Parts: sequence; structure tokens; C-alpha cells
Amino acid sequence: DTAVSQTPKYLVTQMGNDKSIKCEQNLGHDTMYWYKQDSKKFLKIMFSYNNKELIINETVPNRFSPKSPDKAHLNLHINSLELGDSAVYFCASSQQTAANEQFFGPGTRLTVL
Amino acid sequence: AQTVTQSQPEMSVQEAETVTLSCTYDTSESDYYLFWYKQPPSRQMILVIRQEAYKQQNATENRFSVNFQKAAKSFSLKISDSQLGDAAMYFCAWGGGATNKLIFGTGTLLAVQP
Repeated sequence: DTAVSQTPKYLVTQMGNDKSIKCEQNLGHDTMYWYKQDSKKFLKIMFSYNNKELIINETVPNRFSPKSPDKAHLNLHINSLELGDSAVYFCASSQQTAANEQFFGPGTRLTVL
Repeated sequence: AQTVTQSQPEMSVQEAETVTLSCTYDTSESDYYLFWYKQPPSRQMILVIRQEAYKQQNATENRFSVNFQKAAKSFSLKISDSQLGDAAMYFCAWGGGATNKLIFGTGTLLAVQP
């Protein structure tokens, strides 16, 4: 009965490769997010989708492309991976009101060698 | 733009004692919410407590309570009767605006000594 799931949990890859991280939520929420947590544990919003529509794009390099095939899924594709992309990426979901808790997935640790 | 500041990178508390984690924020929004999230070593983000800015009453959840001072833009977390399982990174976050994004502070690493 996992609420927000991400695959894979760990991803190790070489510089220059292209990779995807998948996220699914079974909470019936209409809004999904991607956050990046860097090596100093700082969490920052990257993207948000509401009902499959992009509503937040926080000046993320265009090598990062989110895709939302439906309300329950928000995938993150990263092209031409760089060393600085190494981080933990969290997916989250909520109903789109500020009052509502954002439920986080378990995170994906991406390591770029 | 909203900012959230946590001035205590690390804190330590003895088991069964009380500890307070500090958080200040800045916003020009009138309608917003404040959160404390816990991140244990498992890295799962867990909501600890939530405060609506329009409410004057401080939120409480069992051993966790907040001291919300709206005019001072301060939102501290008090953990009473600390337990070993409380050891984690604690993040203060602001939520609101049209997009409901969360703005996080830099976190406070809490150690609980037996």
C-alpha cells in the first residue's frame, strides 16, 4: 500500500549518459513535485505538475525534462548527465492547496561517475 | 521570494529531555502554512507537524509542539520527552502561494544521547 513510490532507489551511471526516474502515487492527488537534495542535504523544488500541466519550473537546466502521462505519474528524464547532478531526487504529491501535506517518495540516490 | 532559515546546524539532547529547534522565515504572502519535516537516516521525509498561518493557536502533535510567532516570523519546534527514535535531520518548510511549493530551510541534525 505504498503511497508514493519511486524507481529506482539507487542509480549509478557515467557522465554523459541519459537516465530516467519514475514516480507513481496512489493517493488520488492532483499535484506532483520533484525536489533535489544535494550533498549538504539542502532540498529545493525543481518541478511541479497539476493535473498533468506544468506549474513550476525552477530554472532547472533543460537537460532535465519532467513528463506526466497521467495524474498518478511524474517521471524525470535527465540527458547528458554531469557530475553535479549527483544528488537524491524526491518525488512528492499533494492536493493542490497549501494546507495539504506533501507526501514524499523514498528518494532516488543518483551518482554520476 | 520566500526564505526559510534554520540557524542551528546541529543540536543534541539527552533522552527524556526537551529540545527546541529554531526556524525563521520571510514572506510577503498573507496566506501560507509552515511545516516541520523529519528525515531519519532512511532518508524518508516524514511530516511532523503543520501550522496554518491564520491560526493563532500553536499546533501540537503528541510530544511535538510549535511556538508560532507570526509578527516575528518565527516557527520553532519543541520536542518533549525526547526518544532515541527522534534522532534525525529536521527541516522547517514554508508552503503557500499559487503553486503550493515548499521552501525548505537548511536543516538541523538532532542527536539524542542515551
